[in-house]
Amino acid sequence: DADVTQTPRNRITKTGKRIMLECSQTKGHDRMYWYRQDPGLGLRLIYYSFDVKDINKGEISDGYSVSRQAQAKFSLSLESAIPNQTALYFCATSNSLGVRNNEQFFGPGTRLTVL
Amino acid sequence: GNSVTQMEGPVTLSEEAFLTINCTYTATGYPSLFWYVQYPGEGLQLLLKATKADDKGSNKGFEATYRKETTSFHLEKGSVQVSDSAVYFCALYHNQGGKLIFGQGTELSVKP
Repeated sequence: DADVTQTPRNRITKTGKRIMLECSQTKGHDRMYWYRQDPGLGLRLIYYSFDVKDINKGEISDGYSVSRQAQAKFSLSLESAIPNQTALYFCATSNSLGVRNNEQFFGPGTRLTVL
Repeated sequence: GNSVTQMEGPVTLSEEAFLTINCTYTATGYPSLFWYVQYPGEGLQLLLKATKADDKGSNKGFEATYRKETTSFHLEKGSVQVSDSAVYFCALYHNQGGKLIFGQGTELSVKP
């Protein structure tokens, strides 16, 4: 089984709809992240969480919100989707402890299309 | 602020050619440096890393050396294969922020 899973893997929605992307991990990591990937722009950080009660904005948080329901779950919501939120979304995790504390482990991605 | 710049793609090579993908960074202090690879239809996976100056990271025939004097972490491979076709991301991690900062990615296509 994959260590970091994302659902759905693909989603097509319409402008103005609310949509939630979910991420679960079995790695036991405390830190979780949401990124979006656009061609030529690399990965940009949307939100991150260092613990269940900790939520932080990344560089492009406008139009998005998150919820850290448990250590293993971190969901990303688009309250009112717009076409320029069409992108590939990745969840990632890391462990704040240990010598590999700066490595992130990525899920397979969710391809979101907003029409 | 901290940033990463990598050479633009796409890069197209023939099998067994030598590969270099340039990466330079801007950061205060001593970040850790990474190369991640994204194969078609998949998420990113760590390819190699270096945590201090002059360290060389290596994996699957790829190498990169942390050069503080030139603030660079160029990725090299002596003989690429078709299976190396992917997008490669350079990234830095700074303890102060606790986040990875990515370059824009370089797409590599290797032809038989």
